[in-house]
Amino acid sequence: AQKITQTQPGMFVQEKEAVTLDCTYDTSDPSYGLFWYKQPSSGEMIFLIYQGSYDQQNATEGRYSLNFQKARKSANLVISASQLGDSAMYFCAMREGNTGGFKTIFGAGTRLFVKA
Amino acid sequence: DARVTQTPRHKVTEMGQEVTMRCQPILGHNTVFWYRQTMMQGLELLAYFRNRAPLDDSGMPKDRFSAEMPDATLATLKIQPSEPRDSAVYFCASGLPLAGVYEQYFGPGTRLTVT
Repeated sequence: AQKITQTQPGMFVQEKEAVTLDCTYDTSDPSYGLFWYKQPSSGEMIFLIYQGSYDQQNATEGRYSLNFQKARKSANLVISASQLGDSAMYFCAMREGNTGGFKTIFGAGTRLFVKA
Repeated sequence: DARVTQTPRHKVTEMGQEVTMRCQPILGHNTVFWYRQTMMQGLELLAYFRNRAPLDDSGMPKDRFSAEMPDATLATLKIQPSEPRDSAVYFCASGLPLAGVYEQYFGPGTRLTVT
């Protein structure tokens, strides 16, 4: 069974500093995808970044980068130069398999607080 | 700006009543998901459809929940009869797998309160 683990219920970071949100996963499928979503207090889910299991390079999207360590089964999100607007809940998610449907399982989330 | 829309945004109902939540996926997306979010359980996948056909509804309590896609522009989630434990935010998401990326676009959610 696949599993996503986010061990940090809450994190604090000073504005303008970088922060790493941890995510580990467990799957026996060689083909999978990893996602990070942001959920601000308004409640919507915002896609941030995607990493495929066969991608050679770590994914980056603006201030977001995904530190993908396949052997360790970790997919940590790095946010550089934190901004007050980054305060939100962050979810790591995994899609298993590459054909048919793309069922996605979410972790429990990490709440990030950015301090001024 | 293409978005997933959900109605209603908020619903308060009494235990035993039927609740219907609607979702309009982004035009052209062929996969639709229903999720439930609670403080205790987090985000749970209830069901999802590909090309309007149900692919997996194993996360859904079958005795009271039903999900359908009458057409490509409408997905519905029904609860009958509703119970207080169904109180949650229900999200619909849609996606179109392209080039191996399976990004999902979420709607704003329906906040359901069952008293």
